[in-house]
Amino acid sequence: QQQVKQSPQSLIVQKGGISIINCAYENTAFDYFPWYQQFPGKGPALLIAIRPDVSEKKEGRFTISFNKSAKQFSLHIMDSQPGDSATYFCAAVRPGDRDDKIIFGKGTRLHILP
Amino acid sequence: EAGVAQSPRYKIIEKRQSVAFWCNPISGHATLYWYQQILGQGPKLLIQFQNNGVVDDSQLPKDRFSAERLKGVDSTLKIQPAKLEDSAVYLCASSLGAGELETQYFGPGTRLLVL
Repeated sequence: QQQVKQSPQSLIVQKGGISIINCAYENTAFDYFPWYQQFPGKGPALLIAIRPDVSEKKEGRFTISFNKSAKQFSLHIMDSQPGDSATYFCAAVRPGDRDDKIIFGKGTRLHILP
Repeated sequence: EAGVAQSPRYKIIEKRQSVAFWCNPISGHATLYWYQQILGQGPKLLIQFQNNGVVDDSQLPKDRFSAERLKGVDSTLKIQPAKLEDSAVYLCASSLGAGELETQYFGPGTRLLVL
């Protein structure tokens, strides 16, 4: 059972445009929603994250929008640049006493046209 | 600050052979994770250590996979015997502690191909 659904699978955006990636989750016990950026041959790197007590978080050109009632969250990349071309993963984390139950989406391959 | 180190970077083996991966986390990080990332998918947590103790191995195929972190620092992940479906990138990550994913960093991964 896929607990975090991510779309689209791939995305092509012109330089300077807005890239939007969407995720939906099922388990209301999740309380932390990070986004990761992964370049070829590298491990994922935490990009930005949000907790469900806020509806939006912005860091530079990256913004997470969170809709708790719809159980959806999205990543917006403003003024997309060729250097943003990478695979992006959303994730959802369910807290535990000692462990981190983190579930990743399947990823979105983003390509920014120069 | 040095990142998470992994070796080897690439490994090709035949099915039914054994293989081991090594991870050196960031100094001072108590929590260590091993993930499996199959091509076209997100990482899947295999095992999580807190110091030298296992706190979650619910998704580790224990009939063939094993992992240890004897001194609470370096860790090894072993597959014995390997199957074709084990072909994937094996990622190691570390964080200051459990529940502190804001401090989690991933290594570059070991790409395994099982023929």
